[in-house]
Amino acid sequence: GIQVEQSPPDLILQEGANSTLRCNFSDSVNNLQWFHQNPWGQLINLFYIPSGTKQNGRLSATTVATERYSLLYISSSQTTDSGVYFCAVRPRDSSYKLIFGSGTRLLVRP
Amino acid sequence: GAVVSQHPSRVICKSGTSVKIECRSLDFQATTMFWYRQFPKQSLMLMATSNEGSKATYEQGVEKDKFLINHASLTLSTLTVTSAHPEDSSFYICSARVEGQNTEAFFGQGTRLTVV
Repeated sequence: GIQVEQSPPDLILQEGANSTLRCNFSDSVNNLQWFHQNPWGQLINLFYIPSGTKQNGRLSATTVATERYSLLYISSSQTTDSGVYFCAVRPRDSSYKLIFGSGTRLLVRP
Repeated sequence: GAVVSQHPSRVICKSGTSVKIECRSLDFQATTMFWYRQFPKQSLMLMATSNEGSKATYEQGVEKDKFLINHASLTLSTLTVTSAHPEDSSFYICSARVEGQNTEAFFGQGTRLTVV
């Protein structure tokens, strides 16, 4: 099956710093989503981005489907950005199920 | 975005008992819902696909007799953990998507199950 790898696995930032999170996938996909899991476990939808670039406030994402990767940019990080960031892909041969990457655990220090 | 509601958010049960978790799509209909399991500090693993009006499709290695799934209406799927044991303790989370081509998935709040 498809492999989804995220890097880095852990990231510590000082408040105000910028960061880039990466998601690589091993096969063609129909969809790609980025999520932020908060300390209570809730998955917050960040981006639905099968291709192209999107921006939402301090966050932006770019997916290059032909090269099988996606990037999540966080600018001017805040302590509330702490948590785990997951990318999830829907393989071309799937019935709408999402396969999750291993996640990037982010800690933003004040 | 679409709202998916999961209940309960937290449950503690005794070994050998069964626990039912509900997943509802509040403002849309979903013929397909998905159940995931997450162990501490790990990623989400798909357990099964819940299909309205038909049998669920389980991922390899998931015991269908242990994790019973019922999708009786277009807005409700239930996961029942039968004869629970401490190793079933985990975070269970469901998702649903608005019907149509290539739409994003939305997730419930999750259920933290502790079996004592």
